[in-house]
Amino acid sequence: AQTVTQSQPEMSVQEAETVTLSCTYDTSESDYYLFWYKQPPSRQMILVIRQEAYKQQNATENRFSVNFQKAAKSFSLKISDSQLGDAAMYFCAYRSAQGAQKLVFGQGTRLTINP
Amino acid sequence: EPEVTQTPSHQVTQMGQEVILRCVPISNHLYFYWYRQILGQKVEFLVSFYNNEISEKSEIFDDQFSVERPDGSNFTLKIRSTKLEDSAMYFCASSDIGLANDYEQYFGPGTRLTVT
Repeated sequence: AQTVTQSQPEMSVQEAETVTLSCTYDTSESDYYLFWYKQPPSRQMILVIRQEAYKQQNATENRFSVNFQKAAKSFSLKISDSQLGDAAMYFCAYRSAQGAQKLVFGQGTRLTINP
Repeated sequence: EPEVTQTPSHQVTQMGQEVILRCVPISNHLYFYWYRQILGQKVEFLVSFYNNEISEKSEIFDDQFSVERPDGSNFTLKIRSTKLEDSAMYFCASSDIGLANDYEQYFGPGTRLTVT
């Protein structure tokens, strides 16, 4: 079974600075997808960024980018120019590429933005 | 932009009572999911549903849980006899694995279930 691990329960960063959230995963599959979800206090799950395992190029969405290291099974999220609205829980998630598979989530990292 | 909706937003029930959580997935989606999140913990998969049957379920999804697509738009999660430990946020999600192979799951806003 696949597992996802986020080793940082909490992180904080100064507004306008850059922060990196870590995620590692374990799988025997070669084809899969990885995601970062943001969960603000409203508890809605919002997709931030996604990465296909077959792509070598790291995904980027505006201020959000990932460092995908397939061999190391690492998938970190970098948030540049942090804004107060980025404060939330961030969950890393794994999904098999075969069929309509479930998402497997990590434990989450609570990100605080200091003004 | 199409979105997944869930009702109610908050449900309070007494232990032993039955509850039905409702979801309206995105209209052209074919795959439906329920997840739950106990306060302060990670999001856990409960069940996936396709073509009017369960395609996968977790160990959490025991006999007290059931899912149904009673019509062309709703997707429901029923808990027959609620326990205190069922208190959690329940998220519905849907996806469309069509020709475009859109693998993204779109989440609803969640239903907060409180069992007293």
